[in-house]
Amino acid sequence: EIQLQQSGPELVKPGASVKVSCKASGYSFTDYNMYWVKQSHGKSLEWIGYIDPYNGGTSYNQKFKGKATLTVDKSSSTAFMHLNSLTSEDSAVYYCASLGRSWFAYWGQGTLVTVSA
Amino acid sequence: DIQMTQSSSYLSVSLGGRVTITCKASDHINNWLAWYQQKPGNAPRLLISGATSLETGVPSRFSGSGSGKDYTLSITSLQTEDVATYYCQQYWSTPLTFGAGTKLELK
Repeated sequence: EIQLQQSGPELVKPGASVKVSCKASGYSFTDYNMYWVKQSHGKSLEWIGYIDPYNGGTSYNQKFKGKATLTVDKSSSTAFMHLNSLTSEDSAVYYCASLGRSWFAYWGQGTLVTVSA
Repeated sequence: DIQMTQSSSYLSVSLGGRVTITCKASDHINNWLAWYQQKPGNAPRLLISGATSLETGVPSRFSGSGSGKDYTLSITSLQTEDVATYYCQQYWSTPLTFGAGTKLELK
């Protein structure tokens, strides 16, 4: 069974950073890009970027350059997204998604990041 | 960036009826379009890719059509479990972009 298991909810203070993880199972991790998507409360979806787990190559939405950094650990089939200098605008649910060719066939369950003092 | 416009934010629908959800791209996307269904508290679910290809396990009452800039998602014989928000997404070019969503509500 294909699964993308994300880390739990995070409550972080403004100005801090957070690292969200996404552990893949049930398929060959290095065969498919891992995408990250943001969904602010009650809003639509925004593509953050993707990473190629095979070689670590990345592509970012210009809007999230400098905000998000994507990495992987091939040994554990886990992808990570680091978000820095958090503000209230970064409060959202963040999803990892994979097994599509720029569409998103499988999704993680989402990680709620709340930025609050 | 390619903008995706879903003209209806909400649609009032009847059980057993037919629903058509539209999505217009700001540029030609050559059928590089996906449709997703999202229910509250859940991740989106891929329904259709390539504008018309139904994903495995998706009921046949869902179908996609369109070309160029204009695309539609149709649902026939609407069931209770189809009440959700639907998003289109283009993958012709980066940044990958989504429509704002169309939320189905029961009459």
